[in-house]
Amino acid sequence: QKEVEQNSGPLSVPEGAIASLNCTYSDRGSQSFFWYRQYSGKSPELIMSIYSNGDKEDGRFTAQLNKASQYVSLLIRDSQPSDSATYLCAVNPRGSTLGRLYFGRGTQLTVWP
Amino acid sequence: DAEITQSPRHKITETGRQVTLACHQTWNHNNMFWYRQDLGHGLRLIHYSYGVQDTNKGEVSDGYSVSRSNTEDLPLTLESAASSQTSVYFCASGDDTDTQYFGPGTRLTVL
Repeated sequence: QKEVEQNSGPLSVPEGAIASLNCTYSDRGSQSFFWYRQYSGKSPELIMSIYSNGDKEDGRFTAQLNKASQYVSLLIRDSQPSDSATYLCAVNPRGSTLGRLYFGRGTQLTVWP
Repeated sequence: DAEITQSPRHKITETGRQVTLACHQTWNHNNMFWYRQDLGHGLRLIHYSYGVQDTNKGEVSDGYSVSRSNTEDLPLTLESAASSQTSVYFCASGDDTDTQYFGPGTRLTVL
């Protein structure tokens, strides 16, 4: 079973705070990991991809991967009200056919002014 | 700029009718995917394709079909629409890094 689990939230943080979003996955051999942002009524938009253990930073976003513990997280620094959205974690498990991703159900984030 | 488009954006149909949702991408990606998104279920894979003439079933393929005659297009057909197929449908295309890019979605209502 290729499961991707996320806390559904809602997660609520004040403007300027750090928002921390977490995702765990069941397949230890998973290779590729992605974070998507989805605004209400819109399509998922790619924010970050990460393939190796450690941190990957892009602007206010940092993805963290720990394959031994089977989790991937997304940190959003200096959170803004415009970051309010649902964040989807996606994983390509070992043995999965090329390009096929398994998605978590998403964590709803609200950033209040 | 390369993009992925879906049409129609909204569709209302009746039970039993055949419906085709279009997906067109100009990324020149070999991989294309169809998902449906429902409250409480997240994104679920319907069908996918790795190239022309290649199609594969996803986890919720019953009642749906796809065909791939060129790189750019992967139309999704609901052979006989059912109320359970009322949903938001997303098409995505992907490159060889497993990254997927999503279209704007089609909201389908089956009455």
